Amino acid sequence: AQSVTQLDSQVPVFEEAPVELRCNYSSSVSVYLFWYVQYPNQGLQLLLKYLSGSTLVKGINGFEAEFNKSQTSFHLRKPSVHISDTAEYFCAVSRKNSGGSNYKLTFGKGTLLTVNP
Amino acid sequence: DVKVTQSSRYLVKRTGEKVFLECVQDMDHENMFWYRQDPGLGLRLIYFSYDVKMKEKGDIPEGYSVSREKKERFSLILESASTNQTSMYLCASSYIRRGGAFFGQGTRLTVV
Repeated sequence: AQSVTQLDSQVPVFEEAPVELRCNYSSSVSVYLFWYVQYPNQGLQLLLKYLSGSTLVKGINGFEAEFNKSQTSFHLRKPSVHISDTAEYFCAVSRKNSGGSNYKLTFGKGTLLTVNP
Repeated sequence: DVKVTQSSRYLVKRTGEKVFLECVQDMDHENMFWYRQDPGLGLRLIYFSYDVKMKEKGDIPEGYSVSREKKERFSLILESASTNQTSMYLCASSYIRRGGAFFGQGTRLTVV
């Protein structure tokens, strides 16, 4: 079984400050990792994903994340946030190289990022 | 652009009614999913399907069933709606061996 823990349910920051949203996962097999963003009253949009290769992954809107296998973490970072980054962010995991009935995308409970002026 | 379309954005149904939530994707994806989203609980998987007529239970399948007769369409059925099924329902689809899923806009269901 796989699981995802997002360590902070809410993160308030000021505009132009850096931010890190934390995500840890557990799995007995190799995984793919994802970050999604959800703006109010909308569906989820993929921010970035780690499939293989470089452990530093860059996504849309200036976000990046680093895969750390030894710490089973995939923290999301942005060096300078904007008011428009206010949203809920979800970390997700799926089993690597699986197909058929083994494919499942498991989500964390989300982190609400609030950017204040 | 991948498009995942859910038939309704908002729905109000009465307790005991049979409710159908429809989802259509236009990218020939093998996998389709139904999630339920509640405050503080994140997204919880109800059912998923990895092929036509194939389905597997997710983490919270009780009170729900699904149907996938065509590759592009995945329906979620609430056999007898109850107030504790009031929630946001999200449909998603993905390729079988590529990472990431694409989501619809969600259906906010209220059962009264």
